[in-house]
Formats: sequence, structure tokens, C-alpha cells
Amino acid sequence: DSGVTQTPKHLITATGQRVTLRCSPRSGDLSVYWYQQSLDQGLQFLIQYYNGEERAKGNILERFSAQQFPDLHSELNLSSLELGDSALYFCASSLGTVSYEQYFGPGTRLTVT
Amino acid sequence: AQTVTQSQPEMSVQEAETVTLSCTYDTSESDYYLFWYKQPPSRQMILVIRQEAYKQQNATENRFSVNFQKAAKSFSLKISDSQLGDAAMYFCAYRSAGRWETSGSRLTFGEGTQLTVNP
Repeated sequence: DSGVTQTPKHLITATGQRVTLRCSPRSGDLSVYWYQQSLDQGLQFLIQYYNGEERAKGNILERFSAQQFPDLHSELNLSSLELGDSALYFCASSLGTVSYEQYFGPGTRLTVT
Repeated sequence: AQTVTQSQPEMSVQEAETVTLSCTYDTSESDYYLFWYKQPPSRQMILVIRQEAYKQQNATENRFSVNFQKAAKSFSLKISDSQLGDAAMYFCAYRSAGRWETSGSRLTFGEGTQLTVNP
């Protein structure tokens, strides 16, 4: 158990819908990262937050957005869902930024039908 | 942009034997970190081992060790005395050690190598 929690574990929804994925980092960790793992794109970095502020952006679609709250939990919002958004979404956290290991949560499996 | 390549989509090894997984990367940076993550059927991402580019000594964690060749941009993982529980997808990953304000600290992953351990 990495100490990073993600809810829900599984999510099934229809095209065009909007969903919110939630992540609670390890106690004391200030950085939160979101990654997407899909069959065709592999593991891709989406976005990073550090202590409530956006720090880096990867290949995140405009239909996706994220935020980190004062209690350091983070939410990833996916809207206008398409079939291709079906994937495993991981949250990871680290104490700081550069020199610290990232610990991954168990992931949220999103299925868009 | 940095890229990570794992040229072996699948590997297999007999229990108790040794196996080496390959990884190459491309970067213009001189300071960075390299990692191997393991993803078992549970899909959890588990950190196996980490290597700092400035260190010449290869990292070792119990039965897991790396062969880091900075000039060749190669970072292979050796698993000794393979166990059934080692069966998983293994990902090589790169992270810049540059200024976090500009680069963040994202991980760039390879495509993965599926390791099968035969009893």
C-alpha cells in the first residue's frame, strides 16, 4: 500500500458525460501527479500540482482539467467523454518535486461506452 | 523532449534464473533520474529501483540491480533468482533533475516489458 488513495476504483459512463476522479496523496506529500495509461498511448503524464499550484502540464486534453485543494487532495475532471478516454488513470504523490520518488495510487479504471 | 525505449515487449525466465530487461533513453540533459517500475496484474505501479545520473555506481535493491551506461544512454534491469512474484509488466522511466519551475518532475515512461516467470 503506497498510501495514495484514489476513488472510485472503477467508473463506467457514457460518451458525452462528465466524471470526476479523486486522489488523496500520502500524508505530508505536497506534489500530486496525474497519469493516463491506455492501450494505444501507454503511460502518459497529464498534469502536476505542487501545494495547490499547477507546476507542469503534459498531454492533457482541453476537455480535461484538474485542481489541488487546500487539504492537498486533487481532482481530475474529464468532460465530453469519448470512447478513446477509456483508460486507467493514476494519481501519484511525492514530498517535493524534483528529487523525490513518486508513489502511485491504485488507479481509477474508466470505461466509456 | 526526452524519450524512453524498451525494445523487448515480452521476456520470459525460469524460476531461480537471472533475466535482464533493456531500456534506452534519449536526452540532452546531463542530470536526471532513471527508474524501474513494476506493474503486476493488480495494476498497481510499484517502484523497484532508482538511479541518479550523477552516480557512477549502479543501484542495487536486493535481487534487483541496474547496469547504467550514461554515455550509451542505456539503463538495464537485472533480476536475479527470479521468483513467480516477479511476473509483471516492467516500465523504465526518466525524470529530469532540472529546475522544477520549468520542467516539473514528470516521469516519461517506456512502452513496458511483460515478464513471465516459468516454474
